[in-house]
Amino acid sequence: EAQVTQNPRYLITVTGKKLTVTCSQNMNHEYMSWYRQDPGLGLRQIYYSMNVEVTDKGDVPEGYKVSRKEKRNFPLILESPSPNQTSLYFCASSSYRENLIIQYFGAGTRLSVL
Amino acid sequence: ELKVEQNPLFLSMQEGKNYTIYCNYSTTSDRLYWYRQDPGKSLESLFVLLSNGAVKQEGRLMASLDTKARLSTLHITAAVHDLSATYFCAVDPNQGGSEKLVFGKGTKLTVNP
Repeated sequence: EAQVTQNPRYLITVTGKKLTVTCSQNMNHEYMSWYRQDPGLGLRQIYYSMNVEVTDKGDVPEGYKVSRKEKRNFPLILESPSPNQTSLYFCASSSYRENLIIQYFGAGTRLSVL
Repeated sequence: ELKVEQNPLFLSMQEGKNYTIYCNYSTTSDRLYWYRQDPGKSLESLFVLLSNGAVKQEGRLMASLDTKARLSTLHITAAVHDLSATYFCAVDPNQGGSEKLVFGKGTKLTVNP
């Protein structure tokens, strides 16, 4: 079954304490991305990766890092979280086939930074 | 920079009524996607519209695309409570050049009995 798995699903942390949200896909997709979802703002892309060792900034990259050492994994790293990073985060994995973007989303990670 | 605007952002309607959600976008694209998100859940794909005049229907939902007007609509017919969700439209700004999508802010639909 095609899956994008994010962990953890819920996380409460304090300002400045480094954290990592993991994301893994089993579809051998090259393109993966991270979004944050905030009320009234929809989904905004944080970072994306077009392949192993190839990552680039999305629309709201400040305060985040990513890495792509293996095709299946694309962790999101918050080196020093701040309260304005309290949000709902989605990892997505995509393929491009027959002129279509087929995008699969993870279940989401709800992060609260106190 | 591509902008995607949805209207309305909040919609409360009675069961049995019809309504339309609008999605405008600012640059040329002939690929538009609609997603549904249930409360506390992830996004699931509803429709993919690939060309001018494309129309897709599933159940009480019908989506259409007018690339000349840069407008897509999601029409709800005889709404039922199960349709309560947030609906997002998303546009492919690169016309197939990459897998990036730009999302609208979403329309939160509440269908009241």
